[in-house]
Amino acid sequence: KAGVTQTPRYLIKTRGQQVTLSCSPISGHRSVSWYQQTPGQGLQFLFEYFSETQRNKGNFPGRFSGRQFSNSRSEMNVSTLELGDSALYLCASSRDTTDTQYFGPGTRLTVL
Amino acid sequence: AQKITQTQPGMFVQEKEAVTLDCTYDTSDPSYGLFWYKQPSSGEMIFLIYQGSYDQQNATEGRYSLNFQKARKSANLVISASQLGDSAMYFCAMREDDMRFGAGTRLTVKP
Repeated sequence: KAGVTQTPRYLIKTRGQQVTLSCSPISGHRSVSWYQQTPGQGLQFLFEYFSETQRNKGNFPGRFSGRQFSNSRSEMNVSTLELGDSALYLCASSRDTTDTQYFGPGTRLTVL
Repeated sequence: AQKITQTQPGMFVQEKEAVTLDCTYDTSDPSYGLFWYKQPSSGEMIFLIYQGSYDQQNATEGRYSLNFQKARKSANLVISASQLGDSAMYFCAMREDDMRFGAGTRLTVKP
């Protein structure tokens, strides 16, 4: 069974731009979560989607948004990029909202 | 609010020896899951082991075991017979309503 895939793997943007990251979960998994990882703040929870509905949201500004499609694929969007948004963005999928999460390889975003 | 504490920023262990990575958590919910993940320098998070709050037995997965002490709210990871490939960051996590991670422990295995 294929693992979680994330595209793109690397991204360079400039301040003020917006970016969309994509995540395809493991087949049969209906829950997708997103995390931001930085050296200073560690791993921080962004949001979780289950059956196209956002279940939880972490403490991030409204510039960070996401959605989930009927095939469980998920996208996250960051608008008006700031230098501090430079991070590794990790996506994880699980069968349901209590099951083990399996992570993708991440998207490394650099904001110049 | 959930809180996961990993008090060891870095640990060293000799190859073939065992090592324990500490994790304590704080929750008032009786139902939760505890997880350990490994993150090599490549960046991908690799699931290692899971312990449910109602599980009576400590979880084991190959060379990994979880020392679960519910009353003390601790969930330490024990790696037996360390290998050079075990050098990585290790994260403890708790899933209650959502998943929260500790700050991690960087393990270095010395030959």
